[in-house]
Amino acid sequence: SQQGEEDPQALSIQEGENATMNCSYKTSINNLQWYRQNSGRGLVHLILIRSNEREKHSGRLRVTLDTSKKSSSLLITASRAADTASYFCATDNFGNEKLTFGTGTRLTIIP
Amino acid sequence: DAGVIQSPRHEVTEMGQEVTLRCKPISGHDYLFWYRQTMMRGLELLIYFNNNVPIDDSGMPEDRFSAKMPNASFSTLKIQPSEPRDSAVYFCASKGTGSGNTIYFGEGSWLTVV
Repeated sequence: SQQGEEDPQALSIQEGENATMNCSYKTSINNLQWYRQNSGRGLVHLILIRSNEREKHSGRLRVTLDTSKKSSSLLITASRAADTASYFCATDNFGNEKLTFGTGTRLTIIP
Repeated sequence: DAGVIQSPRHEVTEMGQEVTLRCKPISGHDYLFWYRQTMMRGLELLIYFNNNVPIDDSGMPEDRFSAKMPNASFSTLKIQPSEPRDSAVYFCASKGTGSGNTIYFGEGSWLTVV
């Protein structure tokens, strides 16, 4: 079963704009991660945020986590055509090595 | 490092045939995961191993699926007999205990059962 649900399912924006994707999950977590999947490829890790953190930055990426609402958001600033991909959140629980992935957001950057 | 290596990348087989998917994890990683991705069900964890031992196979859909890890550098996922509903992308992923909880995916094996 899927732990996370991403919102929106699909997003199209103009190059240079910011893209925001949201993830909601159901149970308590230890960490939340975001992964990117280019068409026809495997998933690639982007960023990890721990349950005791509220915000994290990595380059053009900003992730927030609200454990009271069981939600996270991924912001990509100054989007580029190369950012076109599907983005997934993934969660793990304490004492459990399994990562459970959400349904994904398909992001299209229009040049 | 070469990353997680999967083979075959693409396979088309007839219903009823045996399918074997192969995976070589990143050297030194002690966890190996098999995921299945479909449009309808998204990414599902099928099974994972720690130090070559299966830890959780609750995601394996049915007895037609089996997975083995005979050594630290090789794992197989076998489907026998295959059915059209098994058509999916099968991903192998690995992680090391000391690398946090980030897992590294292979490029996937695209399986079509006709």
